[in-house]
Amino acid sequence: NAGVMQNPRHLVRRRGQEARLRCSPMKGHSHVYWYRQLPEEGLKFMVYLQKENIIDESGMPKERFSAEFPKEGPSILRIQQVVRGDSAAYFCASSPLQPIYNEQFFGPGTRLTVL
Amino acid sequence: KNEVEQSPQNLTAQEGEFITINCSYSVGISALHWLQQHPGGGIVSLFMLSSGKKKHGRLIATINIQEKHSSLHITASHPRDSAVYICAVAETSGSRLTFGEGTQLTVNP
Repeated sequence: NAGVMQNPRHLVRRRGQEARLRCSPMKGHSHVYWYRQLPEEGLKFMVYLQKENIIDESGMPKERFSAEFPKEGPSILRIQQVVRGDSAAYFCASSPLQPIYNEQFFGPGTRLTVL
Repeated sequence: KNEVEQSPQNLTAQEGEFITINCSYSVGISALHWLQQHPGGGIVSLFMLSSGKKKHGRLIATINIQEKHSSLHITASHPRDSAVYICAVAETSGSRLTFGEGTQLTVNP
């Protein structure tokens, strides 16, 4: 059973470009969480999704950021018109259909560098 | 004040020493997680606990719900234990995790 997959592992973008980060949850998991780790800072919650639904997006910046988890395919975190402050490691985690006690399994992360 | 506080921020030990990392939180929780982040950045879940004590190899995690405090212990520490250890809580109000700032552990041979 493969773990949580994220791609790309490293992504370089110039200011103003778009960044698309993908997360494939563990098999059988239908809950996905996105977290961001800014340089020299701790992890911060961004968004919680179930298939075709955004459950909690209270950690998402109000502009330029969006997330989806379609019925088929990976979850996508999309950042439009990137700025240098978006440079960070973005982690996704998944949990099973019934996330009893909220056990979450983390992916390896995508390191975004904005030039 | 952060909802999740860890101490110490940095810890250096000699191989073989017993290590304790502490975590205090101020919100109601359904579970507490201990995570390990190695250089290179991948995150591994070590423990998830809601009461009592769990043990896995040389690692032991305890939680006191009344005192809102958890500890992670490493017995017979080894240089390969060098990593950042992160405490995270799942609040009773939802499924999001709130993280401590992490403890950088360095174990010297």
